[in-house]
Amino acid sequence: ETAMTQSPATLSVSPGERATLSCRASQSVSSNVAWYQQRPGQAPRLLIYGASTRATGIPAKFSGSGSGTEFTLTISSMQSEDFAVYHCQQFGTWPYSFGQGTKLEMK
Amino acid sequence: QVTLRESGPALVKPTQALTLTCSFSGFSLTTPGMCVSWIRQPPGKALQWLARIDWNDDKTYNTSLKTRLTVSKDTSKNQVVLRLTNMDPADTGTYYCARTRLTTSRGALLEWGQGTLVTVSS
Repeated sequence: ETAMTQSPATLSVSPGERATLSCRASQSVSSNVAWYQQRPGQAPRLLIYGASTRATGIPAKFSGSGSGTEFTLTISSMQSEDFAVYHCQQFGTWPYSFGQGTKLEMK
Repeated sequence: QVTLRESGPALVKPTQALTLTCSFSGFSLTTPGMCVSWIRQPPGKALQWLARIDWNDDKTYNTSLKTRLTVSKDTSKNQVVLRLTNMDPADTGTYYCARTRLTTSRGALLEWGQGTLVTVSS
């Protein structure tokens, strides 16, 4: 099974700053990675798939990069609504798997 | 507009079986490339992908839960059913269903239901 490791577990960022989140796969998953945002009490929402393609309706402030085993989600300018938990997911190998999440908190 | 909604019991006793239904609209599970997955999230913990059923009735399961999981679909009712046997308190969590369209987003989960909280307790 492919394990996904996200870092850091918690990231403190000031509004307006850039946030960079990392996700590492235990084996190559090519570009088969997605990122999700989960606000408290809500279901996850797809942000990025195929490592770098924004989902429908997702603003350009969210960008993804990487391939193989190293992936990054960047939020260019943090706003209040962006403070949430972010999950990466791989769909390159069965069974699909998620990282443990990175919580973005306001500094 | 695609919507999904999970339904089922909120409380299950240990050793019992859990049956959850995902009712959806806005797409058909007979369309090539269309899939519905089940994912769960224990309180305060990571998401765990459980199972997926595809338009052609292919089914894939989480290997660690494979012996306890069954997924099925009723295309006439636009429903997908998940059954998890021999429930344990460790199975407590919020259970989600979500849609995938392989032809566009590959294995990514495009839309999610709001989730249903299942507690396992005697």
